[in-house]
Amino acid sequence: GAVVSQHPSWVICKSGTSVKIECRSLDFQATTMFWYRQFPKQSLMLMATSNEGSKATYEQGVEKDKFLINHASLTLSTLTVTSAHPEDSSFYICSARKRGQGIYEQYFGPGTRLTVT
Amino acid sequence: DQQVKQNSPSLSVQEGRISILNCDYTNSMFDYFLWYKKYPAEGPTFLISISSIKDKNEDGRFTVFLNKSAKHLSLHIVPSQPGDSAVYFCAASALGNKLVFGAGTILRVKS
Repeated sequence: GAVVSQHPSWVICKSGTSVKIECRSLDFQATTMFWYRQFPKQSLMLMATSNEGSKATYEQGVEKDKFLINHASLTLSTLTVTSAHPEDSSFYICSARKRGQGIYEQYFGPGTRLTVT
Repeated sequence: DQQVKQNSPSLSVQEGRISILNCDYTNSMFDYFLWYKKYPAEGPTFLISISSIKDKNEDGRFTVFLNKSAKHLSLHIVPSQPGDSAVYFCAASALGNKLVFGAGTILRVKS
């Protein structure tokens, strides 16, 4: 298979604090990982694309200093939401792509529900 | 700017009947379309796709139809089974670029 896990599955944090979300490919090496967010009743929106060992590429309108992405190994990428505010409350989901596969072949994690109080 | 729209938030179908999920798009540059299925507490999983050079692609009980002139695609599930109950996402890509998703349609198949 191609299993992607996320941790935590849900998190509640206070406004102004930072929270880290992990995305792991469990049984394959992921040269590229994608981070999406989804607001209620809206579509998955790509936030950034990260390649192992290089800086992430952020989509227009996504603050790179607020959403720090690190892809330090072929099986792990992290998203850190810094100085979180209630408007950052959302569902964050990652996906991973195997080496040599196309953009369409993404394996998704189960997502992380972030609530900022 | 919602380039991919799934206008039906939910759909309820009797077991054994056909389920038709619809998706509309606005970007004429999209050349590849995908459907994903998502169960609760799991990530979306790939279901079926179609290239813009085709108007139909079939895989078992699942068929995707593409109408480029109408910028519309649909997913047909025949016959529908209770295990098909899930959220279905339509996604599109232009020239191998990022996937653009619709908001999803919740399908409930009643037994």
